Amino acid sequence: DTGVSQDPRHKITKRGQNVTFRCDPISEHNRLYWYRQTLGQGPEFLTYFQNEAQLEKSRLLSDRFSAERPKGSFSTLEIQRTEQGDSAMYLCASTDGAALGREGYTFGSGTRLTVV
Amino acid sequence: QQQVKQSPQSLIVQKGGIPIINCAYENTAFDYFPWYQQFPGKGPALLIAIRPDVSEKKEGRFTISFNKSAKQFSLHIMDSQPGDSATYFCAASRGNQFYFGTGTSLTVIP
Repeated sequence: DTGVSQDPRHKITKRGQNVTFRCDPISEHNRLYWYRQTLGQGPEFLTYFQNEAQLEKSRLLSDRFSAERPKGSFSTLEIQRTEQGDSAMYLCASTDGAALGREGYTFGSGTRLTVV
Repeated sequence: QQQVKQSPQSLIVQKGGIPIINCAYENTAFDYFPWYQQFPGKGPALLIAIRPDVSEKKEGRFTISFNKSAKQFSLHIMDSQPGDSATYFCAASRGNQFYFGTGTSLTVIP
């Protein structure tokens, strides 16, 4: 397993367009997280899945954002009607219950979104 | 509201120096305090972590000092090297959600 994979690495979109990002976690990890990181800031929590169930959502996750993890494996994050304020690095992380306390999260390299 | 406050924002040291990065938190329910290292274009990678039942943890050249009564913790990097130049984030958590500091950009000059 090569770690957490995110696709695409970069996305430039026009304001108002919809975008979708994909995350493939480490295969044995049942917990998957989405974070957003803006320039000069630390990552901010967006949402969390345990298997296919979305268990927590941040207030940062407006109704233009939707995340899914349909089979408890990969996850997608969709942003509808993008705004310039959505420009950020979107990070995916995974872990399992045992690894959380031992290793914390394993982050992917992120998808950098630029809305023009 | 920033759950974890981190300082300084940036730090420049000579090779071999000992940079120290500080973090403070308010929520006494936090029970896990990791430090992450991030290089440009990469996601954060776990460096070292501590739980509040110990006051210090050392792994290689990296040491966390933890002061539970002051609700503060810090990262020390011994014998710093140019390859340590990166952004460092502290974090705190209880359960699943991690709260990150705003990051410290470290530059180690050869």
